[in-house]
Amino acid sequence: AQTVTQSQPEMSVQEAETVTLSCTYDTSESDYYLFWYKQPPSRQMILVIRQEAYKQQNATENRFSVNFQKAAKSFSLKISDSQLGDAAMYFCAYRGMYSGGGADGLTFGKGTHLIIQP
Amino acid sequence: DAGITQSPRYKITETGRQVTLMCHQTWSHSYMFWYRQDLGHGLRLIYYSAAADITDKGEVPDGYVVSRSKTENFPLTLESATRSQTSVYFCASRGNTGELFFGEGSRLTVL
Repeated sequence: AQTVTQSQPEMSVQEAETVTLSCTYDTSESDYYLFWYKQPPSRQMILVIRQEAYKQQNATENRFSVNFQKAAKSFSLKISDSQLGDAAMYFCAYRGMYSGGGADGLTFGKGTHLIIQP
Repeated sequence: DAGITQSPRYKITETGRQVTLMCHQTWSHSYMFWYRQDLGHGLRLIYYSAAADITDKGEVPDGYVVSRSKTENFPLTLESATRSQTSVYFCASRGNTGELFFGEGSRLTVL
């Protein structure tokens, strides 16, 4: 079974600085998707960024970018120019491309609580 | 507006009562999912559905029942609620590019 590990339960960063959230995963599959979701205090789950494993280029979305290291099974999220609105829980998630069954959903890490210091 | 909606947003019930959480999506996505979110556990899959009348168990299905008579609806029923089912429940549907779109969550408290 696939597992996703977020080793940092909580991170703190000064406003306007850069922070990197770590995520590692375990899988025997070669094709899969990886995601970062943000959950602010409103509880809504918001997709931040996605990465297909077959793409070597790291995904970027404005101030958010990933460092995808397939061989190391690592998928970290970098947030540049941190803003107060970035404060939230961040979840890393995995989905196999051909897994089928329950793996058609996502396997989530336990989350990292990001605090933005003004 | 298109999207995925859950009801009720908040529910308090007593042990042994039946509770149904509703989920409705307007995208006509084939796949739908129910997750529960608990501190220290992240999100865990309860049940999922690949299409109308096709459902299957996820990681933590015990104590829950689902149905899907129409593509757009995917209700989750707790037939006899227990305190361990106190949680936040999220319904989601899967888009064409693999990501999940989530409802706003339903916070359930079982006394």
